[in-house]
Amino acid sequence: AQSVTQLDSQVPVFEEAPVELRCNYSSSVSVYLFWYVQYPNQGLQLLLKYLSGSTLVKGINGFEAEFNKSQTSFHLRKPSVHISDTAEYFCAVSEYGTASKLTFGTGTRLQVTL
Amino acid sequence: GAVVSQHPSRVICKSGTSVKIECRSLDFQATTMFWYRQFPKQSLMLMATSNEGSKATYEQGVEKDKFLINHASLTLSTLTVTSAHPEDSSFYICSARDGDRVHEQYFGPGTRLTVT
Repeated sequence: AQSVTQLDSQVPVFEEAPVELRCNYSSSVSVYLFWYVQYPNQGLQLLLKYLSGSTLVKGINGFEAEFNKSQTSFHLRKPSVHISDTAEYFCAVSEYGTASKLTFGTGTRLQVTL
Repeated sequence: GAVVSQHPSRVICKSGTSVKIECRSLDFQATTMFWYRQFPKQSLMLMATSNEGSKATYEQGVEKDKFLINHASLTLSTLTVTSAHPEDSSFYICSARDGDRVHEQYFGPGTRLTVT
């Protein structure tokens, strides 16, 4: 079975600074990887996904992530954050052949301040 | 496109009563829908997977007689929490998968259930 680890429960950052949210996964088979954002009392919105091909994936709102198979990581980055990026970010994995069942990490709270 | 709605957004019910939550795909046909539960400041935990016209598949530890799932059409799935208790209070989120895009799930806005 797959698992996802988000080591940072909270990441405080100043506006316009760069940020990296870490995600590591464990799986015995090939996986698809996703990052979702959740604003307070709302559902999840897909930021980006890795299915195959280029390991550098660009998503919405200026976010990007890089799939590193050898390190089993899929870290999320943004070169310059905005106050509006304050939210909870979830990394998720889906194994090949599991009908898209997602396993989520515990989430990282990104807090952007002036 | 790919909008999923949930109703109600918030519900308060008394202990021992049942409550139904609806999940609808508004602009696509959802062959598969998923139900998640999220406790405060925690991640989403998959409760069950429902496929249109067949019985739902529940994750280990989820009581199927307590959390009744019906996926009667390609645009509607319902979750009924039967004989609710305060420990069932949580944020319930559904997602739907477009049959043509098997690797994407579209999430609803969630339903906040409070059992008093």
